[in-house]
Amino acid sequence: SQQGEEDPQALSIQEGENATMNCSYKTSINNLQWYRQNSGRGLVHLILIRSNEREKHSGRLRVTLDTSKKSSSLLITASRAADTASYFCATDVYGNNRLAFGKGNQVVVIP
Amino acid sequence: DAGVIQSPRHEVTEMGQEVTLRCKPISGHNSLFWYRQTMMRGLELLIYFNNNVPIDDSGMPEDRFSAKMPNASFSTLKIQPSEPRDSAVYFCASRVGGRETQYFGPGTRLLVL
Repeated sequence: SQQGEEDPQALSIQEGENATMNCSYKTSINNLQWYRQNSGRGLVHLILIRSNEREKHSGRLRVTLDTSKKSSSLLITASRAADTASYFCATDVYGNNRLAFGKGNQVVVIP
Repeated sequence: DAGVIQSPRHEVTEMGQEVTLRCKPISGHNSLFWYRQTMMRGLELLIYFNNNVPIDDSGMPEDRFSAKMPNASFSTLKIQPSEPRDSAVYFCASRVGGRETQYFGPGTRLLVL
């Protein structure tokens, strides 16, 4: 089945820096979503970008989508210690009615 | 809104025992998903329901796993008999029909000894 893959797998940055993580996928999609998971918690939806969109913003989050390269990136600007979490991309394959999650990208923000 | 509720939060059992995980979706959500998360395999979709009907159970690992949704506000995932390789965090998520965003519960951390 469809599988998003994040890259890099782990990122450690100083508070205030920007964090960028990437996701690639293999087939055509309806939309791509990013979720955050804090340690020991469930996943929380962050942002959704549709296949006909190229860029979307939500607060300190910026997501891009390049359907020709089948890739997406998530940028967190001015990171905070509270942004420490794992970030997952999930692809919604058109007509499939289900999400395929990547392995996750661990981000540690050092105060 | 209480969000998706899962119980128990932690379960430790011995190999061969029956395990039942429970989920209460958000009121008004008509799609429900069961996922399993492990370090090796990441987050895997096991089964999902639409309007209480199982739509796709292709992710259920084997016959030892079964899931039910007797009504719109309750679902169970049962493992019988349990094995050590079933140790994982099991998440339930729900969604409003026609919307893409899924809302996850806190998960059940299962350890099978």
